Amino acid sequence: EDQVTQSPEALRLQEGESSSLNCSYTVSGLRGLFWYRQDPGKGPEFLFTLYSAGEEKEKERLKATLTKKESFLHITAPKPEDSATYLCAVRVRNDYKLSFGAGTTVTVRA
Amino acid sequence: GAVVSQHPSWVICKSGTSVKIECRSLDFQATTMFWYRQFPKQSLMLMATSNEGSKATYEQGVEKDKFLINHASLTLSTLTVTSAHPEDSSFYICSAFGGGSSYEQYFGPGTRLTVT
Repeated sequence: EDQVTQSPEALRLQEGESSSLNCSYTVSGLRGLFWYRQDPGKGPEFLFTLYSAGEEKEKERLKATLTKKESFLHITAPKPEDSATYLCAVRVRNDYKLSFGAGTTVTVRA
Repeated sequence: GAVVSQHPSWVICKSGTSVKIECRSLDFQATTMFWYRQFPKQSLMLMATSNEGSKATYEQGVEKDKFLINHASLTLSTLTVTSAHPEDSSFYICSAFGGGSSYEQYFGPGTRLTVT
């Protein structure tokens, strides 16, 4: 059975304190791993898509990496506005559907 | 680009009534749209996949007769919650996939449904 597991469940950071979020997956036929940001009461906002092991993508203070078993979302020198829930999702085989992890809620204190 | 809207953003209805939620892709044509449900502090649960001009495909455990989905055009999908009950209260989010090779889904802002 396909599984997506995110850790930690919650992360509290001081402003400027860099950290990483983990998304591990056990799926057959990965066709893409997606990172989204979700603010309370809003829909997820697309951040990155990664397709193959070794791939990396960056956007401002965020950097996503992918291996054959997991993905990391690195937050460098976070600011309070980076506080959100970060969701990881995978697309498998030829299906357009996404399977989501439970998310990591990041709180950045000034 | 890739903007998806939902209407209404929140709705309160009485038990036994029906509620329709609209999902629109504003700047692209969405060949496929998805409907999700999200409970507080939980992740997104896919309810159904809808393709323009064809019947929706529902996930296991989702009642087709309760959650009616129509995808009549390439920019509009609707979710109707029929005979709503308090347990249907939730945050409903749609997403749209425009085709192509990138496979990203773009999400709407969500609709908060409260059934009293």
